[in-house]
Amino acid sequence: SAVISQKPSRDICQRGTSLTIQCQVDSQVTMMFWYRQQPGQSLTLIATANQGSEATYESGFVIDKFPISRPNLTFSTLTVSNMSPEDSSIYLCSAPQPFGGLETQYFGPGTRLLVL
Amino acid sequence: GQQLNQSPQSMFIQEGEDVSMNCTTSSIFNTWLWYKQDPGEGPVLLIALYKAGELTSNGRLTAQFGITRKDSFLNISASIPSDVGIYFCAGQPRMNRDDKIIFGKGTRLHILP
Repeated sequence: SAVISQKPSRDICQRGTSLTIQCQVDSQVTMMFWYRQQPGQSLTLIATANQGSEATYESGFVIDKFPISRPNLTFSTLTVSNMSPEDSSIYLCSAPQPFGGLETQYFGPGTRLLVL
Repeated sequence: GQQLNQSPQSMFIQEGEDVSMNCTTSSIFNTWLWYKQDPGEGPVLLIALYKAGELTSNGRLTAQFGITRKDSFLNISASIPSDVGIYFCAGQPRMNRDDKIIFGKGTRLHILP
């Protein structure tokens, strides 16, 4: 199966700053997804990163706070803007297996963010 | 929106014991999924279930898609230390046009020495 890598793996940031997280897939995929996993909680979908068009955001998440880029079929970035301590979470990207549906999605290792 | 109720929240067991966890929901699901997340890693898909009543095994793991399509369980037999982690159920509600997946809150499995 395909492999997803994320950078950075972890970071400690000051409030008010922004962090851009990169996600690289080793095969071309039509959709990529960004999730947030708050401490001790489940995974919450932030947005779907569409190649060639704007990202589709879930309820409660907005582009100004979480701008997303998708320049090609193997790469996406998520920026966490104007961070506050409440943004401390694990951020995960995922993608479906080639020719598979959403139920086949596999995840990157995550980016662990701590905002002070 | 739809919610998955996953239980138990955490389990403390002895090595060699069998483990059982489950997920329930108030709405019908088309797909049930079980993931495991190791510390410092992303979730990894263990088992996918697509039909009501389906029973699927993956080594020592067995999962079933409930007949009512509103629940699923995961069993782990003869637990070993590497089974430690967080197990998430997830599913695709029938009512979701876009097939988005909803995750439970996880069951944290601890194995006592």
